[in-house]
Amino acid sequence: GAGVSQSPSNKVTEKGKDVELRCDPISGHTALYWYRQSLGQGLEFLIYFQGNSAPDKSGLPSDRFSAERTGGSVSTLTIQRTQQEDSAVYLCASSLGSAFSGNTIYFGEGSWLTVV
Amino acid sequence: AQSVAQPEDQVNVAEGNPLTVKCTYSVSGNPYLFWYVQYPNRGLQFLLKYITGDNLVKGSYGFEAEFNKSQTSFHLKKPSALVSDSALYFCAVLNSGYSTLTFGKGTMLLVSP
Repeated sequence: GAGVSQSPSNKVTEKGKDVELRCDPISGHTALYWYRQSLGQGLEFLIYFQGNSAPDKSGLPSDRFSAERTGGSVSTLTIQRTQQEDSAVYLCASSLGSAFSGNTIYFGEGSWLTVV
Repeated sequence: AQSVAQPEDQVNVAEGNPLTVKCTYSVSGNPYLFWYVQYPNRGLQFLLKYITGDNLVKGSYGFEAEFNKSQTSFHLKKPSALVSDSALYFCAVLNSGYSTLTFGKGTMLLVSP
């Protein structure tokens, strides 16, 4: 597609339920990133994929959070047993290759998660 | 650790006037610096980046940024502000080791007619 695509755009879930957020990166982009944006914490890095591998998952806040990437393309961020503090906008981004090589990181529109 | 600071929560400017949104950085080694803009209820849009080369970087929508090594700054500028420039602006630095960004807390730009 033309840009990074995320779904769902909005999700309201009950506390304790599991949620899955999907990201389709720009075609051909090997690097994929997940960030979280919340009022109190600003923009936080969650995880970085290069191909299907995740060399940096240091930002995942707890073991309730996991992510995978298959076929070097689509990625899914899963939050188990959601808590109210998980309410945030989850942003996915991708780049053609390493940003250190001068590649720009492009962001999607985000998935707005509300835990009630 | 790499970090950026945006000292202003909000910047107010009248349409037609020049605007500056400030950013300072703290990195070990050469910095890779970025500016992104976020409109209400939208994702982040890339504006410009500094990797190496000219200290004045030109980007999208008439924005530019000046890299100043001695002052460790990367301020965003535009010669003539538009009401439609009103948005949240983020400065970011690329982390050493991996291709991940660390963002500042953001600066809200309000351009009045």
